Amino acid sequence: GAVVSQHPSRVICKSGTSVKIECRSLDFQATTMFWYRQFPKKSLMLMATSNEGSKATYEQGVEKDKFLINHASLTLSTLTVTSAHPEDSSFYICSALTSGPQETQYFGPGTRLLVL
Amino acid sequence: AQTVTQSQPEMSVQEAETVTLSCTYDTSESDYYLFWYKQPPSRQMILVIRQEAYKQQNATENRFSVNFQKAAKSFSLKISDSQLGDAAMYFCAYREYGNKLVFGAGTILRVKS
Repeated sequence: GAVVSQHPSRVICKSGTSVKIECRSLDFQATTMFWYRQFPKKSLMLMATSNEGSKATYEQGVEKDKFLINHASLTLSTLTVTSAHPEDSSFYICSALTSGPQETQYFGPGTRLLVL
Repeated sequence: AQTVTQSQPEMSVQEAETVTLSCTYDTSESDYYLFWYKQPPSRQMILVIRQEAYKQQNATENRFSVNFQKAAKSFSLKISDSQLGDAAMYFCAYREYGNKLVFGAGTILRVKS
């Protein structure tokens, strides 16, 4: 159980375009999901916390108008990188939080974004 | 703010042998959760083991076990009978308020055949 999917796995786009990444919890409902960014051989950097039915909470230094997050259902959160630029190229990972006494984050497989 | 420190950037182990990865953390809380996640070359983050701070008993999951020393704020991961598939980046994580995870810098584990 506790499977999280992410789509697409890879995306290449032109500078100035927007890219949407989907994160789905496949076998459980997730009121809370998280979005991370990871640079090569580095740790995960939390970008924002996504709560179903409410606005996302962004970490300090993360531009909320640049990285739009929508958590419209208990199984789906989306991250849209607006007007992407080469410096936005990175590996983006989502996670979904299980509920109950042993709340645990389970991670999606990640999305590699390359902006040309 | 809580911090998590993994002091070993890289570790190597011979297949079938045992290796221990170190992790220390800083917190003023008394009740919290600690995790070890594994990230193989595929980059999929996989939960290895979870420890609740109020439980004195060390968590175990098959070949994986932890040595949780609450007073010392230490949370090391022991991998027994290492296998080639254990080769990965291992992250120690502390769960803070709001269910956010604070990750260490990671330890690359290489398994030699």
